[in-house]
Amino acid sequence: AQSVTQLDSHVSVSEGTPVLLRCNYSSSYSPSLFWYVQHPNKGLQLLLKYTSAATLVKGINGFEAEFKKSETSFHLTKPSAHMSDAAEYFCVVSDQSDYKLSFGAGTTVTVRA
Amino acid sequence: KAGVTQTPRYLIKTRGQQVTLSCSPISGHRSVSWYQQTPGQGLQFLFEYFSETQRNKGNFPGRFSGRQFSNSRSEMNVSTLELGDSALYLCASSLFPGGQKKETQYFGPGTRLLVL
Repeated sequence: AQSVTQLDSHVSVSEGTPVLLRCNYSSSYSPSLFWYVQHPNKGLQLLLKYTSAATLVKGINGFEAEFKKSETSFHLTKPSAHMSDAAEYFCVVSDQSDYKLSFGAGTTVTVRA
Repeated sequence: KAGVTQTPRYLIKTRGQQVTLSCSPISGHRSVSWYQQTPGQGLQFLFEYFSETQRNKGNFPGRFSGRQFSNSRSEMNVSTLELGDSALYLCASSLFPGGQKKETQYFGPGTRLLVL
């Protein structure tokens, strides 16, 4: 079965500075990887996904993530944080073993003015 | 295209009662998955339905059940509610079962259930 580890439970950045959210995965098969964002009292919104095409994936709102098979990582970055980026972010993996989505524990991002 | 809708958005129940939550997927999507989100356990998979058949089930007791109708709308039911069932229940839809063919799941806003 697959699993995900988000290495930081909380990240705090200043507005205008880069954001890095770290995610490591475990999968016996070629995985699909996703990043979702959840704003307070809202559902999850897809930021981007990797499905074995280009290893650098660009998503919405200026986010991107790089799939590194050798490091089993799928870190999420944004060059310049905005106040509206304050939210919880989930790294998610699925593979052909059972097609279920496995969620990381989440990383809460706060953005300081 | 309208997104995933869930009703009701908020619910308050007491222990021992039962509850039914509803989810309408994106038009054309035939797969519906349900998740429970709590501060302590995070996001946990409940079950998935595709073409009215349960395809996958998470590790939850039999008090949690679901079904899917011919129009792909889905309901989940929790019987004999416990305090620990208080959570945000999220529904997600996709064209095909989650993960298959690299499908993306699209989430609804959730139903927040409080059990007193």
